[in-house]
Amino acid sequence: GAVVSQHPSWVICKSGTSVKIECRSLDFQATTMFWYRQFPKQSLMLMATSNEGSKATYEQGVEKDKFLINHASLTLSTLTVTSAHPEDSSFYICSARDFRKLAGATDTQYFGPGTRLTVL
Amino acid sequence: GEDVEQSLFLSVREGDSSVINCTYTDSSSTYLYWYKQEPGAGLQLLTYIFSNMDMKQDQRLTVLLNKKDKHLSLRIADTQTGDSAIYFCAEGGGGGADGLTFGKGTHLIIQP
Repeated sequence: GAVVSQHPSWVICKSGTSVKIECRSLDFQATTMFWYRQFPKQSLMLMATSNEGSKATYEQGVEKDKFLINHASLTLSTLTVTSAHPEDSSFYICSARDFRKLAGATDTQYFGPGTRLTVL
Repeated sequence: GEDVEQSLFLSVREGDSSVINCTYTDSSSTYLYWYKQEPGAGLQLLTYIFSNMDMKQDQRLTVLLNKKDKHLSLRIADTQTGDSAIYFCAEGGGGGADGLTFGKGTHLIIQP
């Protein structure tokens, strides 16, 4: 099946620093990637939709200046948490939509393994 | 807004069948999904069903969809200890243009 990787798998940073998380589709092209956040014992909440070559679309309540998204190629999207604070500590998960299935019968998002961010 | 509801816990004996239920509110959902998440790991797509289907079977997994009642279920036959995980129901609409809306997840606990 399709593989999506994330890097790093975990990161600990000091309050006020910025952290970049990468999401890569390894064996397929993804015109659309999604970023989710999952708090402990909670569900995944969609933060933003990242489209290759255009600006990301953010969900209501998500600060676009705080969570910078760049989707520079068909296989890479990055999420930068700027000036991170302890309340930003969470599990960040990306997913990528398989471009080849756009015209097919299925529409599947493949999820990365997640990045655990801890802000001290 | 869209909402997906699941019970938080399900406990079954090893070898029995597990049935995890989900209700959703968005009648325009095109696809409905079941994902599995093991501790500390990302999400693994287990199966999905298109909204015009009633049932889908894939080895030990059976998905039933009652579109009228907006009810989705996942049956795992012959539950094994390796099935212990959190199972998320999710819906997506519009041909997948949007991100998915997830339920809170059902923690499946296997008793020996």
